[in-house]
Amino acid sequence: DAKTTQPNSMESNEEEPVHLPCNHSTISGTDYIHWYRQLPSQGPEYVIHGLTSNVNNRMASLAIAEDRKSSTLILHRATLRDAAVYYCILRDNNAGNMLTFGGGTRLMVKP
Amino acid sequence: SAVISQKPSRDICQRGTSLTIQCQVDSQVTMMFWYRQQPGQSLTLIATANQGSEATYESGFVIDKFPISRPNLTFSTLTVSNMSPEDSSIYLCSVAQTLDRAAEAFFGQGTRLTVV
Repeated sequence: DAKTTQPNSMESNEEEPVHLPCNHSTISGTDYIHWYRQLPSQGPEYVIHGLTSNVNNRMASLAIAEDRKSSTLILHRATLRDAAVYYCILRDNNAGNMLTFGGGTRLMVKP
Repeated sequence: SAVISQKPSRDICQRGTSLTIQCQVDSQVTMMFWYRQQPGQSLTLIATANQGSEATYESGFVIDKFPISRPNLTFSTLTVSNMSPEDSSIYLCSVAQTLDRAAEAFFGQGTRLTVV
């Protein structure tokens, strides 16, 4: 999988939007951009994924830059339950369907 | 979706002993993986569990230390052999239902292992 770069940590206030950035300048044309998060003492859980277009689901939105070299995970209204480590991961045809985790961003949500 | 049950959820083991971790999925899945998460670190892939054949190990992990079984499409075990304190980690089972790179992966809750 191609490498991603994320800030180590971010802080947000409860009920405010959060924008979590991810740089992936070496992304190839067929790489999917996946986001997972890991809540404390739990296994990672899927958040969202996309290829070229922006995506929305019940958990979050994914904004993908036009050149695909970066993306942003958007939590529209952060809650205390959203405090977690967020991982941005690229998946390609050669990945064998496993996920290669980077360091992720630890999101802290203040009440 | 897939629901994964991992057992045990935690254990404290003596050095030199072995622990077998079980991963049971509520549906047949194509891919099963084992990850390790050392304290304060991200996840590292140990191996892909292949049904009916030897697991495929990542660099730095060997079969003698981490033997893996996968007798069918819903079950796998990971054994941590001849444990030392450096093996203290969380071990996680992960599954994917298809080979599609857009497919969602599912994770168990993990097994927290402490070696004393």
